[in-house]
Amino acid sequence: GENVEQHPSTLSVQEGDSAVIKCTYSDSASNYFPWYKQELGKRPQLIIDIRSNVGEKKDQRIAVTLNKTAKHFSLHITETQPEDSAVYFCAASTLDAGNMLTFGGGTRLMVKP
Amino acid sequence: DGGITQSPKYLFRKEGQNVTLSCEQNLNHDAMYWYRQDPGQGLRLIYYSQIVNDFQKGDIAEGYSVSREKKESFPLTVTSAQKNPTAFYLCASRGGAGGDNEQFFGPGTRLTVL
Repeated sequence: GENVEQHPSTLSVQEGDSAVIKCTYSDSASNYFPWYKQELGKRPQLIIDIRSNVGEKKDQRIAVTLNKTAKHFSLHITETQPEDSAVYFCAASTLDAGNMLTFGGGTRLMVKP
Repeated sequence: DGGITQSPKYLFRKEGQNVTLSCEQNLNHDAMYWYRQDPGQGLRLIYYSQIVNDFQKGDIAEGYSVSREKKESFPLTVTSAQKNPTAFYLCASRGGAGGDNEQFFGPGTRLTVL
């Protein structure tokens, strides 16, 4: 089955700096890669996703890049703000096989004012 | 928060008891999922259902059971066979074929075994 590894497990940045979180996956059949943000005690919420036919996707201060050959994808957050502080999870799935998400272990991002 | 709900928010269970966690969605989604989250860890798939009256085991199905008698509902039973059931349980749903890829999560149920 799929295995997703996520690094780093914790990340501390100054407000205004950029943050990068990296994930690797093992199953070459995976073709959908969402990123979720989870605040303490709350439900995960999708912040951005990318399909395998695209190498990069941006949404305001958030971007995701995908390297299918190397089987890794990354989340980039620019101009970080204190409200970006949360746990971020990457995931991978195969859309035509039930879209069962395999999650990484999570990254706790702390943005210091 | 509308669309997918879970109840109760907190649940306490004595060892040896079965408990059922509720998950309801009014999004008209075909697929529904149950995940377990342990402190400081990612989510792991317990069961999923792509259509009414059908469900499949996920990565950690042992000690759990589900049913999918209605499109809107996907209850999870944590049985006494689950050796370490204390965790945060999240239900999710997703649109049908040709629909959105996004999985929408419910607010979760925190289960504690006393």
